[in-house]
Amino acid sequence: EAGVAQSPRYKIIEKRQSVAFWCNPISGHATLYWYQQILGQGPKLLIQFQNNGVVDDSQLPKDRFSAERLKGVDSTLKIQPAKLEDSAVYLCASGLGTGPSYEQYFGPGTRLTVT
Amino acid sequence: DQQVKQNSPSLSVQEGRISILNCDYTNSMFDYFLWYKKYPAEGPTFLISISSIKDKNEDGRFTVFLNKSAKHLSLHIVPSQPGDSAVYFCAATTASGTYKYIFGTGTRLKVLA
Repeated sequence: EAGVAQSPRYKIIEKRQSVAFWCNPISGHATLYWYQQILGQGPKLLIQFQNNGVVDDSQLPKDRFSAERLKGVDSTLKIQPAKLEDSAVYLCASGLGTGPSYEQYFGPGTRLTVT
Repeated sequence: DQQVKQNSPSLSVQEGRISILNCDYTNSMFDYFLWYKKYPAEGPTFLISISSIKDKNEDGRFTVFLNKSAKHLSLHIVPSQPGDSAVYFCAATTASGTYKYIFGTGTRLKVLA
C-alpha cells in the first residue's frame, strides 16, 4: 500500500514570496490533515478535512495560509506571503476516519526555509 | 500554552536496558493518548495508544502507562534496541469534537550499542 505522498520535499523562498505544497493521501482515506512542525516543537494541526469539507481550521493563519481539498482526494496548502517564522516542516497526514481509533498516517513532510 | 509537555529533550540508554520516556499534560479533558516515533527525514509513525479507561497498554516491547490523577503518561521500551533510536512524540486528544491531536515537543532517544 502506497503511503502519503508530499511534494516538494524541500523549498527555499524569500520572505513575501508565495509557496504551495501538495499532498496525496492514502487511497480511500476520508480524513486529511496539515500540520506545521517548527524546529524543536511538536506538530501543530493547521487544518483538518473530512472528504472535501473543513472540520477544523482554528489554528490556520487565514490571512496568509489557505488550503483546499478538491474532490476529497489531493490537497494543497498555500502560503502567501511567507514570513520568516513560517520556516518549518509541513506534514500531511491521512486517516480512514475521524476519531481516536483511526490512525493518522503521516507523509515525509516538506521542509520550508524562508530567508 | 503547552498542554502536552515532554520535559526531557533527549535520553541515552544502553542496548538491552529499559528506556522510559515521560509525558505530562494539563488538560483534564484529554481522554486518549498516543505515542508516535519519528526517524530523520520521515513522517511520524504511530506506535501505541491508551484510552483513559485503562492505566496500561502493552504491545510487544512497548508499554504505555497512564496516571490520570497525576496527568502523566510514560512509554517503556524493554529491551531497548539501536533501531529504537528516534524522536518520540506523545499526543493527546479528546474522544469528542474534532479529535484534534495535541503533540508534545518530543524526546530524542539514543540507544547505544
